[in-house]
Amino acid sequence: GQQVMQIPQYQHVQEGEDFTTYCNSSTTLSNIQWYKQRPGGHPVFLIQLVKSGEVKKQKRLTFQFGEAKKNSSLHITATQTTDVGTYFCAGGSNDMRFGAGTRLTVKP
Amino acid sequence: DAGVIQSPRHEVTEMGQEVTLRCKPISGHDYLFWYRQTMMRGLELLIYFNNNVPIDDSGMPEDRFSAKMPNASFSTLKIQPSEPRDSAVYFCASSFALWTPLHFGNGTRLTVT
Repeated sequence: GQQVMQIPQYQHVQEGEDFTTYCNSSTTLSNIQWYKQRPGGHPVFLIQLVKSGEVKKQKRLTFQFGEAKKNSSLHITATQTTDVGTYFCAGGSNDMRFGAGTRLTVKP
Repeated sequence: DAGVIQSPRHEVTEMGQEVTLRCKPISGHDYLFWYRQTMMRGLELLIYFNNNVPIDDSGMPEDRFSAKMPNASFSTLKIQPSEPRDSAVYFCASSFALWTPLHFGNGTRLTVT
């Protein structure tokens, strides 16, 4: 069945370093959404990308949707301790399936 | 808006017992999703409803799992009989339409001993 693959599984950075997580699908996605889950919490919606090649920014976060609508990335510039959590991409053609997530830890 | 409300927050039960998880979606949301989260398998989509009708239940692990949505403001996920491997956090989420943002509840942490 349809799968959304996400890498890396874990990322540990020093505060101030950049961070990127990648999401890939074997099929074309109607759209892709990104969520953040803090430890012990629930996933919280960050952003949705719909158009081929779309780029959106939220402060230090940059989201991209690939030209073929099969991949996406989330880049955080100059990480802060408040960025700690697991970042998930989610997408599908008929439903909303989540990638495995990238767990980000930040060392002060 | 109170958001998606799930109950209970925590459930500890013995193997073989029936477990019922409950969810109240956000009013006006036509879609309701049940997810299961574990370290090994991540966030798995179990089933989702549109206007109270189950659309895709291919993620339901086996016949021990069942879900219902008797009306627009209530859904249940039942496990009977429960097994230790069912231990996980179960999330309910709702959305206005299929491709709009999901709003998650706080989850139910299920432990089956």
